[in-house]
Amino acid sequence: DTQMTQSPSSLSASVGDRVTFTCRASQTISTYLNWYQHKPGKAPKLLIYAVSNLHSGVPSRFSGSGSGTDFTLTISSLQPDDFATYYCQQGYKIPYSFGQGTKLESK
Amino acid sequence: EVQLVQSGAEVKKPGESLMISCKGSGYTFTSYYIGWARQMPGKGLEWMGIVYPGDSETRYSPSFQGQVIISADKSISTAYLQWRSLKASDTGIYYCARQPTIYVQTYFDLWGRGTLVTVSS
Repeated sequence: DTQMTQSPSSLSASVGDRVTFTCRASQTISTYLNWYQHKPGKAPKLLIYAVSNLHSGVPSRFSGSGSGTDFTLTISSLQPDDFATYYCQQGYKIPYSFGQGTKLESK
Repeated sequence: EVQLVQSGAEVKKPGESLMISCKGSGYTFTSYYIGWARQMPGKGLEWMGIVYPGDSETRYSPSFQGQVIISADKSISTAYLQWRSLKASDTGIYYCARQPTIYVQTYFDLWGRGTLVTVSS
């Protein structure tokens, strides 16, 4: 199975900050990398698919990059609604594993 | 409205069986896969498996193969996650989610709100 490792596990930031999350795959996954946002008690939301494609309705302050094994999610200017846990997921090979998540908290 | 509606919370004892459901509406149910993900208390998401309602083809994570059964009934646009004998370690929130394809568009673009399953003696 492909292991997905996210760093850091938690992150403190302030509104307006630029924030970057990192995700590393244990083997190459080409560009089959997705990002989700999850808030407690809510359904997870797809933010970005295939590394850098913004899902419908997702604000343009979210962006993704990377290829092969190393990927990043960036929020260009943090908004109050962005505090949540972020997960990466590889869609290259079943099981389509998730990273352990990065919890974004308010500083 | 395009949505996945999951069945309500369950409290069960170890050894009991359980089936939870996920009903799709607002889209062609047989044109998308339905996957399941688990979130154990205080933990992250785990990919469990996926079913194609069109022909009931299923794929499982090795971690969940033999532990759960994933199925779908296209006549009522509903997918299921089933346990024959629950364990305390099955406690968690279970999410269903829609996936466009199994080869290229391998992402969950629509999620249910989750079903809390509590297994306790």
